[in-house]
Amino acid sequence: DQQVKQNSPSLSVQEGRISILNCDYTNSMFDYFLWYKKYPAEGPTFLISISSIKDKNEDGRFTVFLNKSAKHLSLHIVPSQPGDSAVYFCAASALNAGNMLTFGGGTRLMVKP
Amino acid sequence: GAGVSQSPRYKVAKRGQDVALRCDPISGHVSLFWYQQALGQGPEFLTYFQNEAQLDKSGLPSDRFFAERPEGSVSTLKIQRTQQEDSAVYLCASSLTSGATYEQYFGPGTRLTVT
Repeated sequence: DQQVKQNSPSLSVQEGRISILNCDYTNSMFDYFLWYKKYPAEGPTFLISISSIKDKNEDGRFTVFLNKSAKHLSLHIVPSQPGDSAVYFCAASALNAGNMLTFGGGTRLMVKP
Repeated sequence: GAGVSQSPRYKVAKRGQDVALRCDPISGHVSLFWYQQALGQGPEFLTYFQNEAQLDKSGLPSDRFFAERPEGSVSTLKIQRTQQEDSAVYLCASSLTSGATYEQYFGPGTRLTVT
C-alpha cells in the first residue's frame, strides 16, 4: 500500500501561470514533509519542506500548503518558468519512526514557454 | 567534494553476477541512506547508517542485498547473485545529522541493468 500518493503523473502549464502539484498521504504518524525536484540523470534536489505544526511554508516562488485533517499537501509554483520543468516528488517522514523518507510516485511538470 | 557522489554511474550485470555500488557522502554528514528507484516510481528506502552503525535495514528486499559503511564515511551497497528485478537506479543520500527533519542530499544515482 502506498502511504504517499501523487495522483497526477503529469501536469502541463503555461509559463508565468501557477503550477499546483498535489500529494496525499495515509499514515497519520507522518509529521514532516518535503518536496524534491528531479532532472533526468540527476538525483533528487531538495526544494522546500514543512513541519506538521505549520500549514504553510514559503520560499520565493515556492509555497507548500499542508492540510493535516485531509492528509493533503500541495506545492504551488508562481510564476512558473520553463526551467521548472522536471519531476517533482513529495516525501514524508515520521520523527519517532526512523529517519527514512517515504516518497510518492512523482509528477512530471512541463512548463511551456 | 561539493555534493554526494556515486560510482559507477551505470552498471550492466549479467544475471547471477555480484555488483558493488559506491557512495561518497558530503564530508561531515553523519547520516547516510540508500534508496532504490524503479522506472516510473519514487525512490524506496533500503537502509540507513548513522556514522558506521547500520540502524535500519528494513527496506533491503532480500538477503542478497548488503550495505556497509565501515569508517563512517564511504558506503558500499553490494548485491549478490543479481536478478532482473534488481534493475533500478540506486540512490545514495546523506544528511548533516540524524533526525527526520534534516534534508537529505542525494547523489546522481547508479543505474543498474541486469540482463
